[in-house]
Amino acid sequence: SQQGEEDPQALSIQEGENATMNCSYKTSINNLQWYRQNSGRGLVHLILIRSNEREKHSGRLRVTLDTSKKSSSLLITASRAADTASYFCATPLTRSGNTPLVFGKGTRLSVIA
Amino acid sequence: GAGVSQSPSNKVTEKGKDVELRCDPISGHTALYWYRQSLGQGLEFLIYFQGNSAPDKSGLPSDRFSAERTGGSVSTLTIQRTQQEDSAVYLCASSLVRGGGYNEQFFGPGTRLTVL
Repeated sequence: SQQGEEDPQALSIQEGENATMNCSYKTSINNLQWYRQNSGRGLVHLILIRSNEREKHSGRLRVTLDTSKKSSSLLITASRAADTASYFCATPLTRSGNTPLVFGKGTRLSVIA
Repeated sequence: GAGVSQSPSNKVTEKGKDVELRCDPISGHTALYWYRQSLGQGLEFLIYFQGNSAPDKSGLPSDRFSAERTGGSVSTLTIQRTQQEDSAVYLCASSLVRGGGYNEQFFGPGTRLTVL
């Protein structure tokens, strides 16, 4: 079953604008990850945030985590056409090492040049 | 290799036929995962291998699905008597062994399976 649910399902913005995607999850976690997928193929890891962290930055990406609300957000600043992709949040299936991940259905981001 | 590779990239088969999908993980990664992604859906965990331990098969949708990992490296996912609902992109990922579930996974490009 899906653990994370992204919101919105689809987002269309102009190049240069910021894009915000949200993720909600159901169970207790020790970390949450965001992945990007281009053209329905392989996923690329973007960022991992641990449960004791509230915010994390990586380049133009900013991720927040609110464990009390079981939610996370991914902000992409100054978006570019190349950011067009689907974005997924993922949480560990268990707390053991190398656990599989449970993915949401993703947000489809379109950045219009 | 530089990344996770999968073959074939596309597979079209007839209902009832068996198919084998191959995954070559990143060298040194002892954990290997298979996921399935149906059209417009998120990823569904199928099976995962960690080192020499017995695989976790809890995500396999039916006994028509099986997987093996030879020599702790290459893995093959086999689907017997394929059905149209098996049509999906099958993604393989690998990761280093790290405790606590803090494992970044590296994905292959996937195999798009179409069952006619």
